[in-house]
Amino acid sequence: KAGVTQTPRYLIKTRGQQVTLSCSPISGHRSVSWYQQTPGQGLQFLFEYFSETQRNKGNFPGRFSGRQFSNSRSEMNVSTLELGDSALYLCASRYGQGSNEKLFFGSGTQLSVL
Amino acid sequence: AQSVTQLDSQVPVFEEAPVELRCNYSSSVSVYLFWYVQYPNQGLQLLLKYLSGSTLVKGINGFEAEFNKSQTSFHLRKPSVHISDTAEYFCAVSELTGGGNKLTFGTGTQLKVEL
Repeated sequence: KAGVTQTPRYLIKTRGQQVTLSCSPISGHRSVSWYQQTPGQGLQFLFEYFSETQRNKGNFPGRFSGRQFSNSRSEMNVSTLELGDSALYLCASRYGQGSNEKLFFGSGTQLSVL
Repeated sequence: AQSVTQLDSQVPVFEEAPVELRCNYSSSVSVYLFWYVQYPNQGLQLLLKYLSGSTLVKGINGFEAEFNKSQTSFHLRKPSVHISDTAEYFCAVSELTGGGNKLTFGTGTQLKVEL
C-alpha cells in the first residue's frame, strides 16, 4: 500500500499570496488531519476531516481552511500568506477508531514565505 | 485543555549508553499517550502508545515508555542507543472525548547519538 502522499514537497511563496497543499491518504482511510510544524511552536493541530466533513479544528485564524473530497483526498488552503506561516505542514491519515486507531503521517510540505 | 511538556529540547548521548526522554502532560480527562519519532526530512512515525492496562509500554526499535498517572508523566527510555536513533522525538496526548482525532504534541526533544 502506498503511504500518505503530500504535494508539493517544497513551496516558496511571497507575503500576501495564497497557497493550496494537497494530501492523499492511504487507500481506505477516511480521516485526514493537518498539522503545522515550526521550530518554535512544535506541532500544532490545524483541523481534521472525516467523510468530507470537518470534525475538529485547532486555534488557527480563518486564513487557514481545508476541505476533503469524496475520494478522501484533502486540500489545505492558506490565504494572505504571512512570514510566520513558513512551516512544515504535515498531513496524517487515520485508520480505525479508539484503541485500534493508527495515524500515518506524510513527509510534509515545506512552505517558505518570503 | 490538554498540554504536553517535553523538558529537554536536546539530549546528547554516546552510542550504547542508556537514554531517557522526559514527557509530562496535563489533562482534565483520560488520555491516550504517544511517542513519535521524526527522522530528517521525513514525517512522524509512531514509536509506541499507551491506551490502558500495563503502565510499561514497549515499542519499536527497542524503545519503551512508562505511564505514571500520579506524576502525569510518560517518559521514553532505551537501554542502549544506536547512532541511527539520532532523530527528533515527540510526545503527544489525545483526549478521550469521543469522535475525532486531535493530538496535542510537545515541542520535541532532539536526540543526538555520538560515537
